Amino acid sequence: DQQVKQNSPSLSVQEGRISILNCDYTNSMFDYFLWYKKYPAEGPTFLISISSIKDKNEDGRFTVFLNKSAKHLSLHIVPSQPGDSAVYFCAASAMYSGGGADGLTFGKGTHLIIQP
Amino acid sequence: NAGVMQNPRHLVRRRGQEARLRCSPMKGHSHVYWYRQLPEEGLKFMVYLQKENIIDESGMPKERFSAEFPKEGPSILRIQQVVRGDSAAYFCASSLRKQAPHEQYFGPGTRLTVT
Repeated sequence: DQQVKQNSPSLSVQEGRISILNCDYTNSMFDYFLWYKKYPAEGPTFLISISSIKDKNEDGRFTVFLNKSAKHLSLHIVPSQPGDSAVYFCAASAMYSGGGADGLTFGKGTHLIIQP
Repeated sequence: NAGVMQNPRHLVRRRGQEARLRCSPMKGHSHVYWYRQLPEEGLKFMVYLQKENIIDESGMPKERFSAEFPKEGPSILRIQQVVRGDSAAYFCASSLRKQAPHEQYFGPGTRLTVT
């Protein structure tokens, strides 16, 4: 049962344009959401997060939007740069509610390719 | 990623052998998490440990898998009698505090191949 879903295995975007990565979740206990970036042969690196009391969090070129009613979040990268090419994982936690496992629940990832 | 060490980076085992994966957390971190990534899948939580204690093993397979985090030394994920389905990348993460998911720092992973 996939509690965190990333339905696009890959996404190709031109350099300088906006990249939008999507993530859906099913577990209502999730109250904290994270995006990780992963290069081949490396571990995931934390990128940005958002708690369920907010609907937007911004950090430089990265913005995460949360729509709780739709159980949907998205990561916007603008402008996209060649170094952004990587696999992006959406992850969720029941951090405040205390429900579920202590670890993070990950989606399957979206491979973002930035074309010059 | 800097600071969380995992070894070996690559491990090849024949079916039926044992695999031992090691994770040294970042300096000062006493919380360790193990995740497994099967091909074409996301990371799946396996177990959460603090020094000398298993706190949450809800993601661990019931048989053949065990984990420890002794008072001294690295955390060990042990897989007995490996099967082909155990082939995966195993990542550990460490954090300074519990309940701080954004503070989980991941190691580079160990890629286990069972032949």
